[in-house]
Amino acid sequence: DSGVTQTPKHLITATGQRVTLRCSPRSGDLSVYWYQQSLDQGLQFLIQYYNGEERAKGNILERFSAQQFPDLHSELNLSSLELGDSALYFCASSVDQGRNTIYFGEGSWLTVV
Amino acid sequence: AQSVTQLGSHVSVSEGALVLLRCNYSSSVPPYLFWYVQYPNQGLQLLLKYTTGATLVKGINGFEAEFKKSETSFHLTKPSAHMSDAAEYFCAVSDSSVSSNTGKLIFGQGTTLQVKP
Repeated sequence: DSGVTQTPKHLITATGQRVTLRCSPRSGDLSVYWYQQSLDQGLQFLIQYYNGEERAKGNILERFSAQQFPDLHSELNLSSLELGDSALYFCASSVDQGRNTIYFGEGSWLTVV
Repeated sequence: AQSVTQLGSHVSVSEGALVLLRCNYSSSVPPYLFWYVQYPNQGLQLLLKYTTGATLVKGINGFEAEFKKSETSFHLTKPSAHMSDAAEYFCAVSDSSVSSNTGKLIFGQGTTLQVKP
């Protein structure tokens, strides 16, 4: 158990819909990262927040957005869903901006039908 | 830009045999390098990491990796494979060594390790 908690574990939704994935980082960790894992793209970095502020942005679509709240939990919002958005979404956390170990949650499986 | 190439999407070894998973990286700054393992239906677990100092890094479960700057490689090895080692392995690089680091990881495509009895 890494200490990073993600909900829901599995989600099935229809095209065009909007979903929210939630992440609670390890206690004391200030950075939260979101990654997408799919068969065709592999593991792709989406976005990083550090202590509530956006720190780095990767291959995140404009239909996707994220935020980190004052209690340091984070949410990834996916809207206007397409079939190709079906993937495993990982949240990870670290105590600082990346010099220390980054711990991954077990992921949220999103299936768009 | 940083990138990672893992040679071989599938590697099959017999139980007790040497495990060698290959990783080459590209980075314009001194890299931090990582190996993560993903067991079926689970998240990513850190096996080991190289930041600075000793180039031979020992990790969990008997794995080790050697950072070779001249070859831009960070291959993962284990002297004797166990059935429980069957999983997907990911090599990753980050820019954490520089002051403007973000900590984001760039992953390779992964190597699935099969261990035959």
